[in-house]
Amino acid sequence: KQEVTQIPAALSVPEGENLVLNCSFTDSAIYNLQWFRQDPGKGLTSLLLIQSSQREQTSGRLNASLDKSSGRSTLYIAASQPGDSATYLCAVRPPPGANSKLTFGKGITLSVRP
Amino acid sequence: EAEVAQSPRYKITEKSQAVAFWCDPISGHATLYWYRQILGQGPELLVQFQDESVVDDSQLPKDRFSAERLKGVDSTLKIQPAELGDSAMYLCASSLSSGSSNEQFFGPGTRLTVL
Repeated sequence: KQEVTQIPAALSVPEGENLVLNCSFTDSAIYNLQWFRQDPGKGLTSLLLIQSSQREQTSGRLNASLDKSSGRSTLYIAASQPGDSATYLCAVRPPPGANSKLTFGKGITLSVRP
Repeated sequence: EAEVAQSPRYKITEKSQAVAFWCDPISGHATLYWYRQILGQGPELLVQFQDESVVDDSQLPKDRFSAERLKGVDSTLKIQPAELGDSAMYLCASSLSSGSSNEQFFGPGTRLTVL
């Protein structure tokens, strides 16, 4: 059974700092990995999706990397801003042939201090 | 931009009452998902529809939860009777089809509080 772990559960940083959020998964046989952002009491917003054949994806100040063989992904946020404060979740999707059931981590709650 | 719609956004109910949540997926999306997210946890899949058919309801507590997607478009998730432990965010998502290459798009969720 696939398990996704995100440690630490919470992180507080000063504004302007570059930071890395970690995600690990137990079964390396994934099709893709997705990073989501969730604001308090809100739904999920997709940030980046990395296919299993890719090493990284970039969108603005965000960069996500994937090392499938070691079961790890990182989300890099450059020059953090207070508006980046939210919970960040990663989720992995199984390969074709199975249903598209996402397995989520518990998320990392990020607070960026002005 | 097309979005997944959910209503209500918030629901407060007393235990033993019945509640229902509604989801309207992005137009043309054949696959619809209901997730439950307990505070501090990641979302967990409750039920997945392909058109009007259920393809995965293995984690749905069927003694009290039911879900339907009669015309293969919008969907309703019902809880009867509600229990204190049902307090959570209920998220709906949709994708073009059920294959792993199809990205899921999430709605804003319904926050349920059971008193």
